[in-house]
Amino acid sequence: GAGVSQSPRYKVAKRGQDVALRCDPISGHVSLFWYQQALGQGPEFLTYFQNEAQLDKSGLPSDRFFAERPEGSVSTLKIQRTQQEDSAVYLCASSFLGEYEQYFGPGTRLTVT
Amino acid sequence: AQSVTQLDSHVSVSEGTPVLLRCNYSSSYSPSLFWYVQHPNKGLQLLLKYTSAATLVKGINGFEAEFKKSETSFHLTKPSAHMSDAAEYFCVVTTTGGFKTIFGAGTRLFVKA
Repeated sequence: GAGVSQSPRYKVAKRGQDVALRCDPISGHVSLFWYQQALGQGPEFLTYFQNEAQLDKSGLPSDRFFAERPEGSVSTLKIQRTQQEDSAVYLCASSFLGEYEQYFGPGTRLTVT
Repeated sequence: AQSVTQLDSHVSVSEGTPVLLRCNYSSSYSPSLFWYVQHPNKGLQLLLKYTSAATLVKGINGFEAEFKKSETSFHLTKPSAHMSDAAEYFCVVTTTGGFKTIFGAGTRLFVKA
């Protein structure tokens, strides 16, 4: 079956632009996670959804970051007024509820110029 | 608060020799611990997980890890390295309930012929 997919795979934005990153989780996966991975670092937790409910958004670095999952499947991570420090790979992962293994997508590499 | 420390940023071994990647964790309660591998230009893949069952955990590709509560460690080992093991390895801890996920900074494994 299909894995987690993310689009676009690469995004170049000028500083100050808004961007939207999409995640399609594995069908049936209730849990959905977003991470930010800076170059040479481990992924950092951003936010967690259980179905459409955003249960934890403690990792979002600023109020410029916003995530949604309105129908409990596809999720979008939006970054407003992008800054250079937002340049990173954004990873999405999904899992069954109560199942600890997360299945990761390939990531979206965001470069802010 | 939970945290994960990977004690080596880089490890280099010769093909056919043992691999040891070290991880220490900090958690105020019984953690769930994982090792993930990230090959270049590929998504993160789960190697193995510890979720309070057997303390010696076997994973894919011949890897295993031992949970040692007294040492707060979860080191990853493999008896004999293969060239295909060259990758970035992440030690991970999650909260009870499995959603707030903390990654270590990663250890890059180099395997010499």
